[in-house]
Amino acid sequence: QKEVEQNSGPLSVPEGAIASLNCTYSDRGSQSFFWYRQYSGKSPELIMFIYSNGDKEDGRFTAQLNKASQYVSLLIRDSQPSDSATYLCAVYSGGGADGLTFGKGTHLIIQP
Amino acid sequence: NAGVTQTPKFQVLKTGQSMTLQCAQDMNHNSMYWYRQDPGMGLRLIYYSASEGTTDKGEVPNGYNVSRLNKREFSLRLESAAPSQTSVYFCASSESGWNQPQHFGDGTRLSIL
Repeated sequence: QKEVEQNSGPLSVPEGAIASLNCTYSDRGSQSFFWYRQYSGKSPELIMFIYSNGDKEDGRFTAQLNKASQYVSLLIRDSQPSDSATYLCAVYSGGGADGLTFGKGTHLIIQP
Repeated sequence: NAGVTQTPKFQVLKTGQSMTLQCAQDMNHNSMYWYRQDPGMGLRLIYYSASEGTTDKGEVPNGYNVSRLNKREFSLRLESAAPSQTSVYFCASSESGWNQPQHFGDGTRLSIL
């Protein structure tokens, strides 16, 4: 059973600080990693994706992947109240079967 | 550029009724997916279509059928709705296969009484 684990939160971060969201996965052969943001009552919105070890930056967002330790992180710099949402981690294990495994999400609250 | 469009946005059904959820994408994507999202369960894959002309079961296919009508459209049918199928349904598409980012529609909120 492939598992993707996230701390459900809520994670409370003051405005302007760095929010750090973590995700661990069980399948060592996992290939692709995605972060989605989901506002309450809305659909998941793609934030970042990463395939290789290391960091990938896009504006205020940085995805960090460490395959040896089987975790992927999302950093949000200069956090804004509009970043308050649930963040979903999704992992593709490869092999063409089963598809993406989604974590249950971390609820992030940015305090003004 | 609409992306992924789902209809209807809301629906209430009685147990035993049937209905079809519609999904269309205008991004020229090859792969399309149907998920359901329930509190505490996360997103679960119902069916997917890797390319036009193919469909495959996901994690929770029982009680559902799908049709990949053409490259743009992928519908989900409930033949005899049950209260356990009360959920939020999302359609998604990706350029080609699981390795590519998926883009989601706005969802259909379905209640079965």
